[in-house]
Amino acid sequence: ETGVTQTPRHLVMGMTNKKSLKCEQHLGHNAMYWYKQSAKKPLELMFVYNFKEQTENNSVPSRFSPECPNSSHLFLHLHTLQPEDSALYLCASSRSGGMNTEAFFGQGTRLTVV
Amino acid sequence: AQSVTQLDSQVPVFEEAPVELRCNYSSSVSVYLFWYVQYPNQGLQLLLKYLSGSTLVKGINGFEAEFNKSQTSFHLRKPSVHISDTAEYFCAVSDEDSGNTPLVFGKGTRLSVIA
Repeated sequence: ETGVTQTPRHLVMGMTNKKSLKCEQHLGHNAMYWYKQSAKKPLELMFVYNFKEQTENNSVPSRFSPECPNSSHLFLHLHTLQPEDSALYLCASSRSGGMNTEAFFGQGTRLTVV
Repeated sequence: AQSVTQLDSQVPVFEEAPVELRCNYSSSVSVYLFWYVQYPNQGLQLLLKYLSGSTLVKGINGFEAEFNKSQTSFHLRKPSVHISDTAEYFCAVSDEDSGNTPLVFGKGTRLSVIA
């Protein structure tokens, strides 16, 4: 248990569905991140939030929409996804906007788009 | 911009044998370096990190890594592995000069420990 909780752990959705991934941390961290982990590819940073403000968007398609209502919660809203979006989505948090301090990861949500 | 190269995608090793997982990085500035481990169906867990000071860094589960600035390397080692060390290992780098640089990860090395 790292202190970062992701729900659901597994999600299967159709290409026309709308779903949301949730991430929660109670570590007092100010920065939160979404990463995508696909088979045989490096971890891809998707979004960074610092003090609830989005500070980085790595050219992520608009079918992925993040939301950070407060420093403890991060959502990833999904709509009209493609099969190639199937992956493990990892949430992480850290004390500041830079990861020169330890980053804590959640267990991930395994997403399958059918 | 930084980049990380993990030279081996898979490393099989017998139980109780030593192991070294290689990591090289490129950056135009000073860096912080990290090793993370990912067990099946889990998120990433920090093994160890180099921020400054001694170039030999000790981490959890008996792992250690040595920062070599001239060779831009940060190889991970363990003198005697256990079955439970079977996992994916990721090297990562962050820019020391910027307080807002997220980690850049390598592609990972899958360590398989054979009984």
